Amino acid sequence: AQSVAQPEDQVNVAEGNPLTVKCTYSVSGNPYLFWYVQYPNRGLQFLLKYITGDNLVKGSYGFEAEFNKSQTSFHLKKPSALVSDSALYFCAVRLFNTGKLIFGQGTTLQVKP
Amino acid sequence: KAGVTQTPRYLIKTRGQQVTLSCSPISGHRSVSWYQQTPGQGLQFLFEYFSETQRNKGNFPGRFSGRQFSNSRSEMNVSTLELGDSALYLCASSLAEERNTEAFFGQGTRLTVV
Repeated sequence: AQSVAQPEDQVNVAEGNPLTVKCTYSVSGNPYLFWYVQYPNRGLQFLLKYITGDNLVKGSYGFEAEFNKSQTSFHLKKPSALVSDSALYFCAVRLFNTGKLIFGQGTTLQVKP
Repeated sequence: KAGVTQTPRYLIKTRGQQVTLSCSPISGHRSVSWYQQTPGQGLQFLFEYFSETQRNKGNFPGRFSGRQFSNSRSEMNVSTLELGDSALYLCASSLAEERNTEAFFGQGTRLTVV
């Protein structure tokens, strides 16, 4: 069965420090992977995606993600966290030939000044 | 370019009633999907429509239904509401059926069943 796991419910970092939000996946075939961010009482905003090619993908707001096929991981990273990055982050995989996204359970990122 | 628009933003209904939620996708997008978000279950897929046809359906009871119109706008309906249907309902649209395109989400409809 296709699945996505985010092993940490919450990640705490100090402003200016690098951040990592972890994601692992289990899918058949080549994965199409996505990261979304959600602010309180809002919908999901697209951050970045991995389709094929370079394992390091750059996205919005200075975020990037590293695809690792052998470890089936797609960790979200940012070199220097901002307080405004505090939000709920979701990793997702899109199933073959459909618009269906399977989401991880989400990770709350707390950036403290 | 306007984003995905969901109406209404907030809704309070009584158990046993039915409700209809609306979603207008980004212009040119033909794929529309619906998701239910709750604290306990996270984000769960309800169904997906493409060119007025339901292509996929999640594991929800038959009380949950949807449709898509020729202009790609979509509605979902929940009949005989239960307390457990209280959730944020999110609609997402994407440009094409290929899986490498990202989905764009609306701000959601917050449904409270009392």
